[in-house]
Parts: sequence; C-alpha cells; structure tokens
Amino acid sequence: GAVVSQHPSRVICKSGTSVKIECRSLDFQATTMFWYRQFPKQSLMLMATSNEGSKATYEQGVEKDKFLINHASLTLSTLTVTSAHPEDSSFYICSARGQGPNQPQHFGDGTRLSIL
Amino acid sequence: QKEVEQDPGPLSVPEGAIVSLNCTYSNSAFQYFMWYRQYSRKGPELLMYTYSSGNKEDGRFTAQVDKSSKYISLFIRDSQPSDSATYLCAMSETDKLIFGTGTRLQVFP
Repeated sequence: GAVVSQHPSRVICKSGTSVKIECRSLDFQATTMFWYRQFPKQSLMLMATSNEGSKATYEQGVEKDKFLINHASLTLSTLTVTSAHPEDSSFYICSARGQGPNQPQHFGDGTRLSIL
Repeated sequence: QKEVEQDPGPLSVPEGAIVSLNCTYSNSAFQYFMWYRQYSRKGPELLMYTYSSGNKEDGRFTAQVDKSSKYISLFIRDSQPSDSATYLCAMSETDKLIFGTGTRLQVFP
C-alpha cells in the first residue's frame, strides 16, 4: 500500500519551456502533498506544501510564480516549472500524506529535469 | 548548526554485518522520526516511522529514538548487498519534514 506515482521520470527540454510534473497517490487519498528538490549528493529541500482545494504554501526563497502548484483532487497534485532555465535543472520529488493523524509521507520516484 | 546532523559516509560493510546509522538533532520539539532508504535516481522509501521515544522493530530493521539525548538510530541486521543505498533520517514537529543529509551505505559480498 501507500504508492505514489510521479510522471514523467525524466525531462530534457530547451530553455524557456514550461514543464508539468504530476504526482498521484494510487491507493490512498492524500489531503496534503509536498514538493521537494534534491541536488546531487544533498538531501531533500522542501519547496512547497499543498492541500487539496487550497493554495500551496511555499518555503522561503521559492518563487511561487516560477513553480506553480495545483492540488485539484485528493489523489493528484501537479508542479509546473514555468519558463525553465538551466539553473532549474534538478531532481524534483513529490510526497503524499494520507488522511488521519500522524500519517507519514510517502514519496514518488522523482523527476529528473534537465534544461538545455 | 544544522537542525539535523547525519554522517554522510560512505559506510562500507561486509555482507551479514550489523549496520548502525545515526542522526542527532537540535530541536526538542520534534516528535515524529522516520528513516527512509533511497536508491540512486529513485525517491525515498519509508522504512521506519516512530512517534516519540522508544524502539521499533520490523524484520531486520530496528529504529531507536532517545529524545533526552536528541539522538536516533537505525540498525540493520544481517545486511545484504541489496541494502546498499543512501539512508535518510527525517523528523518533524508537525507537517514539515527536516531531513539529514543521508548516509551512503555499501554492503559488499
């Protein structure tokens, strides 16, 4: 149980392109989903927290107009990197937390984004 | 000082060894403690989830939390080459997870 699917797993695109990444909880309903960024040999850094049906909460230093988050249902959240540039190249990972108290986060397999 | 400190390793052990992985933290308000395993180019996989102090065992894995010392551990018994991965500790007060940098473990046959 507790499977989180993230798609696509790999994206290579030109500078200026907008890229959408999907995160789905397959076998549970996720009230809250999280988006992280991970640089090589470093740990995960939280970018934003999204709750179904409401605006995402962004961490300090994360541009909300650059990284658009939509959490339209209890099983789907999307992250759109708008007008991506080479410095946006990274490993993006989503996680989802089930309903109820004290639920842990379960992670997707990540999306490796490379901007040329 | 980071909120969560974790030795990055690498830690190299022979197959069958007992592995001990540790994290220390500074925020006494943390009450949820997790260990994740991350293979290369994959997302973290939840191994152990503990609330407050105490021990928890699941198969070959044992997690320990000592809130008085602000210290958590993960023990892996009878380690296997398939255990070779990066192990991340994570902890939280409420929603937001704070991760350690991860310890890279290599188990050789």
